[in-house]
Amino acid sequence: DAGVIQSPRHEVTEMGQEVTLRCKPISGHNSLFWYRQTMMRGLELLIYFNNNVPIDDSGMPEDRFSAKMPNASFSTLKIQPSEPRDSAVYFCASSLTSGGSYNEQFFGPGTRLTVL
Amino acid sequence: KNQVEQSPQSLIILEGKNCTLQCNYTVSPFSNLRWYKQDTGRGPVSLTIMTFSENTKSNGRYTATLDADTKQSSLHITASQLSDSASYICVVGRTGGFKTIFGAGTRLFVKA
Repeated sequence: DAGVIQSPRHEVTEMGQEVTLRCKPISGHNSLFWYRQTMMRGLELLIYFNNNVPIDDSGMPEDRFSAKMPNASFSTLKIQPSEPRDSAVYFCASSLTSGGSYNEQFFGPGTRLTVL
Repeated sequence: KNQVEQSPQSLIILEGKNCTLQCNYTVSPFSNLRWYKQDTGRGPVSLTIMTFSENTKSNGRYTATLDADTKQSSLHITASQLSDSASYICVVGRTGGFKTIFGAGTRLFVKA
């Protein structure tokens, strides 16, 4: 398996522009997580999906952020409009959930976003 | 409040030496504790996972311990190598949910 795939790996955009980050989870996994990592705040969970349904989006910073999972093999995280403070590395992770919480998460390589 | 605190914040050691990283947590109800290694520019990779009943878990030169009574965990690295230079993140999972609480990490530098 190729692992979790994220694209693009790097994104540089100007303030006010729309940004879309993409993630393909590991085949067969039924949970997907979006994280943001900065030097100041470390890793923060933004949202997670189970069986393509958003379970908890309380980590999404504000309405400018939205995430979708139209099917089991694809998810997007969209920022519109983007702001410089959104600059961070965004990770997608997936896991196989079987009722409990003992679920190892496998992380993608991340997307480094820079908003000028 | 559910928190995970790691120490030290950063550490420099010489190649071949051993080191121990600490993790204290106040997460409840506790389900499991994981240690991740994150190389610069990469995503975190799982090293060990321990549940409430496990006291120790090894993965090569990495050995994690868990004291559920004192809510403390440690990650011991034996005979360090240059490739061990990375951030080590302690993550605690809660029972009955998907949420996990991340520590801020310890940045380890191994020098030749």
